[in-house]
Amino acid sequence: DAGVIQSPRHEVTEMGQEVTLRCKPISGHDYLFWYRQTMMRGLELLIYFNNNVPIDDSGMPEDRFSAKMPNASFSTLKIQPSEPRDSAVYFCASSFQGTANSPLHFGNGTRLTVT
Amino acid sequence: GESVGLHLPTLSVQEGDNSIINCAYSNSASDYFIWYKQESGKGPQFIIDIRSNMDKRQGQRVTVLLNKTVKHLSLQIAATQPGDSAVYFCAENVRGADGLTFGKGTHLIIQP
Repeated sequence: DAGVIQSPRHEVTEMGQEVTLRCKPISGHDYLFWYRQTMMRGLELLIYFNNNVPIDDSGMPEDRFSAKMPNASFSTLKIQPSEPRDSAVYFCASSFQGTANSPLHFGNGTRLTVT
Repeated sequence: GESVGLHLPTLSVQEGDNSIINCAYSNSASDYFIWYKQESGKGPQFIIDIRSNMDKRQGQRVTVLLNKTVKHLSLQIAATQPGDSAVYFCAENVRGADGLTFGKGTHLIIQP
């Protein structure tokens, strides 16, 4: 099993630019989660999907952030326009049957730096 | 101004010794708990989980203990090895919901 795959691994961009982060969950997992990790706030849940449908986006910081899951094997997290305070490591994770019953499996993250 | 980062608790143990990492959780409605290990440059990696109807679960070299009375979770690692050096997070899932809530983490350092 290839695990959760994220791209790019590193992204450096200038303030105001659009950033798109990509994720391929583990095949057969029907839940997908986006987390953000910073030194200040630790790991924060941004949004999660069940069967490609967004269920809870209450963790998305503001309207500049959006996420989509057009099919079971692909999701994107977009930031437009990006700001320096968005600098963080963004993780995608997937699980089988949700986190009430099974653990999350994480990708290796995208380290975003906004200058 | 310059931001101040989290100061993770640090646990330093000698190679071969046992280590215990502790975690307090706040939500009495949480019913599923997981320990993760995160190495530098990688995502959190699943170690072991436990449900609220249990108070102890053992894996290979690891044991998780759950005390629901005081809302406390611990991870015991036996005979620590250099590869155990990492940041360890506890995570909880609230009954009826999805999405794990993570603790702040503990940095485990294995001294040779």
